[in-house]
Amino acid sequence: KQEVTQIPAALSVPEGENLVLNCSFTDSAIYNLQWFRQDPGKGLTSLLLIQSSQREQTSGRLNASLDKSSGRSTLYIAASQPGDSATYLCALSPGSNYQLIWGAGTKLIIKP
Amino acid sequence: DTGVSQDPRHKITKRGQNVTFRCDPISEHNRLYWYRQTLGQGPEFLTYFQNEAQLEKSRLLSDRFSAERPKGSFSTLEIQRTEQGDSAMYLCASSWGLAGIADTQYFGPGTRLTVL
Repeated sequence: KQEVTQIPAALSVPEGENLVLNCSFTDSAIYNLQWFRQDPGKGLTSLLLIQSSQREQTSGRLNASLDKSSGRSTLYIAASQPGDSATYLCALSPGSNYQLIWGAGTKLIIKP
Repeated sequence: DTGVSQDPRHKITKRGQNVTFRCDPISEHNRLYWYRQTLGQGPEFLTYFQNEAQLEKSRLLSDRFSAERPKGSFSTLEIQRTEQGDSAMYLCASSWGLAGIADTQYFGPGTRLTVL
Protein backbone atom coordinates (compact mmCIF):
# COMPACT_ATOMS: atom_id res chain seq x y z
CA LYS A 1 0.00 0.00 0.00
CA GLN A 2 1.39 3.40 -0.98
CA GLU A 3 2.15 5.71 1.95
CA VAL A 4 3.26 9.33 1.80
CA THR A 5 5.18 10.91 4.67
CA GLN A 6 6.20 14.51 5.27
CA ILE A 7 8.76 15.36 7.92
CA PRO A 8 8.90 17.66 9.83
CA ALA A 9 5.26 18.35 10.64
CA ALA A 10 6.13 21.97 11.39
CA LEU A 11 9.02 24.30 10.57
CA SER A 12 9.80 27.87 11.60
CA VAL A 13 12.57 29.89 9.92
CA PRO A 14 13.59 33.56 9.69
CA GLU A 15 12.64 35.55 6.63
CA GLY A 16 15.13 35.40 3.77
CA GLU A 17 16.38 31.88 4.37
CA ASN A 18 16.36 29.18 1.73
CA LEU A 19 14.61 26.03 2.89
CA VAL A 20 13.75 22.50 1.81
CA LEU A 21 10.58 20.56 2.54
CA ASN A 22 10.67 16.78 2.27
CA CYS A 23 8.20 14.20 1.02
CA SER A 24 8.84 10.44 0.95
CA PHE A 25 6.77 7.63 -0.50
CA THR A 26 6.96 3.85 -0.22
CA ASP A 27 6.15 2.69 -3.78
CA SER A 28 8.18 4.09 -6.68
CA ALA A 29 5.47 3.22 -9.25
CA ILE A 30 3.84 6.64 -9.42
CA TYR A 31 2.12 8.54 -12.23
CA ASN A 32 2.90 12.06 -11.03
CA LEU A 33 3.59 14.03 -7.86
CA GLN A 34 2.26 17.44 -6.93
CA TRP A 35 3.04 20.00 -4.27
CA PHE A 36 0.18 22.03 -2.86
CA ARG A 37 -0.13 24.97 -0.53
CA GLN A 38 -3.02 25.20 1.94
CA ASP A 39 -4.00 28.47 3.58
CA PRO A 40 -6.64 28.55 6.34
CA GLY A 41 -10.09 29.14 4.87
CA LYS A 42 -8.77 29.30 1.30
CA GLY A 43 -8.48 25.71 0.21
CA LEU A 44 -5.61 24.08 -1.66
CA THR A 45 -3.52 25.65 -4.39
CA SER A 46 -1.40 23.56 -6.74
CA LEU A 47 2.19 24.81 -6.85
CA LEU A 48 4.07 22.35 -9.04
CA LEU A 49 3.31 19.08 -10.81
CA ILE A 50 6.10 16.65 -11.73
CA GLN A 51 5.33 13.84 -14.11
CA SER A 52 6.95 10.47 -13.45
CA SER A 53 9.35 10.96 -16.37
CA GLN A 54 10.61 14.30 -15.05
CA ARG A 55 13.27 15.06 -12.44
CA GLU A 56 12.27 18.59 -11.45
CA GLN A 57 9.97 21.53 -12.04
CA THR A 58 10.51 25.22 -11.29
CA SER A 59 8.15 28.12 -10.75
CA GLY A 60 9.56 31.41 -9.56
CA ARG A 61 11.25 30.89 -6.17
CA LEU A 62 10.02 27.29 -5.99
CA ASN A 63 11.80 24.20 -7.25
CA ALA A 64 10.50 20.68 -6.82
CA SER A 65 12.56 17.57 -7.47
CA LEU A 66 11.55 13.94 -7.83
CA ASP A 67 13.70 10.84 -7.28
CA LYS A 68 11.49 7.81 -7.77
CA SER A 69 14.23 5.29 -7.08
CA SER A 70 14.74 6.61 -3.56
CA GLY A 71 11.04 7.45 -3.03
CA ARG A 72 11.68 11.10 -2.35
CA SER A 73 10.59 14.54 -3.47
CA THR A 74 11.76 17.90 -2.18
CA LEU A 75 10.33 21.39 -2.44
CA TYR A 76 12.97 24.10 -2.34
CA ILE A 77 11.86 27.63 -1.45
CA ALA A 78 14.39 30.37 -2.12
CA ALA A 79 14.55 33.66 -0.21
CA SER A 80 11.56 32.87 2.00
CA GLN A 81 9.00 35.58 2.78
CA PRO A 82 6.33 35.89 5.50
CA GLY A 83 3.70 35.37 2.77
CA ASP A 84 5.09 31.88 2.23
CA SER A 85 3.70 30.87 5.62
CA ALA A 86 1.19 28.06 5.01
CA THR A 87 0.89 24.29 5.14
CA TYR A 88 2.62 22.54 2.25
CA LEU A 89 1.35 19.14 1.16
CA CYS A 90 2.68 16.68 -1.34
CA ALA A 91 0.34 14.33 -3.15
CA LEU A 92 0.99 11.61 -5.69
CA SER A 93 -1.10 9.78 -8.21
CA PRO A 94 -0.42 6.04 -8.02
CA GLY A 95 -1.70 5.33 -11.51
CA SER A 96 -3.67 6.69 -14.39
CA ASN A 97 -6.86 6.65 -12.31
CA TYR A 98 -5.95 10.19 -11.22
CA GLN A 99 -6.83 9.94 -7.52
CA LEU A 100 -4.28 11.54 -5.22
CA ILE A 101 -2.65 10.06 -2.12
CA TRP A 102 -1.57 12.76 0.30
CA GLY A 103 1.00 13.41 2.98
CA ALA A 104 -0.12 15.10 6.20
CA GLY A 105 1.73 18.30 5.33
CA THR A 106 4.44 20.53 6.78
CA LYS A 107 3.24 23.71 8.49
CA LEU A 108 5.73 26.44 7.57
CA ILE A 109 6.08 29.69 9.50
CA ILE A 110 8.34 32.42 8.16
CA LYS A 111 9.26 34.89 10.89
CA PRO A 112 9.68 38.55 9.81
CA ASP B 1 -14.40 32.10 -14.26
CA THR B 2 -13.90 32.33 -10.51
CA GLY B 3 -12.69 28.79 -9.92
CA VAL B 4 -14.25 25.88 -8.06
CA SER B 5 -17.04 26.86 -5.67
CA GLN B 6 -18.62 24.87 -2.87
CA ASP B 7 -21.81 25.42 -0.95
CA PRO B 8 -22.34 25.69 1.94
CA ARG B 9 -19.00 26.69 3.44
CA HIS B 10 -20.04 25.52 6.88
CA LYS B 11 -22.68 23.04 8.02
CA ILE B 12 -23.61 22.11 11.57
CA THR B 13 -26.03 19.25 11.98
CA LYS B 14 -27.24 16.81 14.58
CA ARG B 15 -26.31 13.16 14.51
CA GLY B 16 -28.72 11.16 12.37
CA GLN B 17 -29.64 13.99 10.03
CA ASN B 18 -28.97 13.97 6.29
CA VAL B 19 -26.79 16.63 4.67
CA THR B 20 -26.05 17.53 1.05
CA PHE B 21 -23.12 19.51 -0.29
CA ARG B 22 -22.78 21.07 -3.73
CA CYS B 23 -19.69 21.62 -5.87
CA ASP B 24 -19.53 23.74 -9.02
CA PRO B 25 -16.34 22.97 -10.96
CA ILE B 26 -14.50 25.18 -13.40
CA SER B 27 -16.83 25.18 -16.37
CA GLU B 28 -14.70 23.44 -19.00
CA HIS B 29 -13.34 20.75 -16.66
CA ASN B 30 -14.37 17.19 -17.38
CA ARG B 31 -13.10 15.62 -14.15
CA LEU B 32 -14.43 16.16 -10.64
CA TYR B 33 -13.14 14.76 -7.36
CA TRP B 34 -14.35 14.66 -3.77
CA TYR B 35 -11.93 14.42 -0.83
CA ARG B 36 -12.33 14.49 2.95
CA GLN B 37 -9.81 16.12 5.28
CA THR B 38 -9.62 15.97 9.06
CA LEU B 39 -7.55 18.29 11.22
CA GLY B 40 -3.81 17.80 10.88
CA GLN B 41 -4.12 15.25 8.09
CA GLY B 42 -3.89 15.33 4.34
CA PRO B 43 -7.05 14.89 2.27
CA GLU B 44 -8.41 11.39 1.64
CA PHE B 45 -9.83 10.50 -1.75
CA LEU B 46 -13.56 9.71 -1.75
CA THR B 47 -14.77 9.54 -5.36
CA TYR B 48 -14.07 10.68 -8.92
CA PHE B 49 -16.22 11.57 -11.93
CA GLN B 50 -15.27 11.73 -15.58
CA ASN B 51 -18.04 13.88 -17.06
CA GLU B 52 -21.23 12.37 -15.54
CA ALA B 53 -19.79 8.90 -14.94
CA GLN B 54 -18.64 7.98 -11.42
CA LEU B 55 -15.51 5.97 -12.23
CA GLU B 56 -14.02 5.39 -8.82
CA LYS B 57 -15.17 5.15 -5.22
CA SER B 58 -12.98 4.74 -2.17
CA ARG B 59 -13.86 2.11 0.39
CA LEU B 60 -14.09 5.10 2.74
CA LEU B 61 -17.34 5.94 0.95
CA SER B 62 -19.79 3.82 2.92
CA ASP B 63 -23.34 3.21 1.77
CA ARG B 64 -24.40 6.29 3.74
CA PHE B 65 -22.52 8.42 1.22
CA SER B 66 -23.70 9.05 -2.32
CA ALA B 67 -22.40 11.39 -4.98
CA GLU B 68 -23.86 12.46 -8.28
CA ARG B 69 -22.83 14.62 -11.19
CA PRO B 70 -25.87 14.97 -13.43
CA LYS B 71 -25.14 16.28 -16.91
CA GLY B 72 -21.43 16.36 -16.14
CA SER B 73 -21.57 19.81 -14.55
CA PHE B 74 -22.09 20.42 -10.81
CA SER B 75 -21.86 17.59 -8.30
CA THR B 76 -23.59 16.81 -5.03
CA LEU B 77 -22.35 14.74 -2.11
CA GLU B 78 -25.01 13.47 0.28
CA ILE B 79 -24.39 11.92 3.68
CA GLN B 80 -27.31 10.08 5.22
CA ARG B 81 -27.73 9.41 8.95
CA THR B 82 -24.69 11.49 9.85
CA GLU B 83 -22.33 10.31 12.58
CA GLN B 84 -19.88 12.32 14.68
CA GLY B 85 -17.05 10.65 12.79
CA ASP B 86 -18.26 12.33 9.61
CA SER B 87 -17.12 15.71 10.97
CA ALA B 88 -14.45 16.92 8.56
CA MET B 89 -13.69 19.32 5.73
CA TYR B 90 -15.14 18.06 2.44
CA LEU B 91 -13.13 19.25 -0.53
CA CYS B 92 -14.07 19.27 -4.19
CA ALA B 93 -11.59 19.56 -7.04
CA SER B 94 -11.85 19.65 -10.80
CA SER B 95 -9.48 19.26 -13.71
CA TRP B 96 -9.31 18.95 -17.46
CA GLY B 97 -7.58 15.80 -18.61
CA LEU B 98 -7.04 13.66 -21.63
CA ALA B 99 -6.50 9.93 -21.29
CA GLY B 100 -3.02 9.14 -20.07
CA ILE B 101 -2.01 12.76 -19.43
CA ALA B 102 -1.30 14.09 -15.94
CA ASP B 103 -3.53 16.94 -14.91
CA THR B 104 -3.53 19.64 -12.24
CA GLN B 105 -6.46 19.54 -9.85
CA TYR B 106 -8.01 22.85 -8.79
CA PHE B 107 -9.63 22.86 -5.38
CA GLY B 108 -12.61 24.66 -3.94
CA PRO B 109 -12.58 26.25 -0.46
CA GLY B 110 -14.28 23.23 1.09
CA THR B 111 -17.37 22.62 3.20
CA ARG B 112 -16.69 22.18 6.91
CA LEU B 113 -19.15 19.72 8.45
CA THR B 114 -19.68 19.51 12.20
CA VAL B 115 -21.90 16.72 13.50
CA LEU B 116 -23.09 17.27 17.06
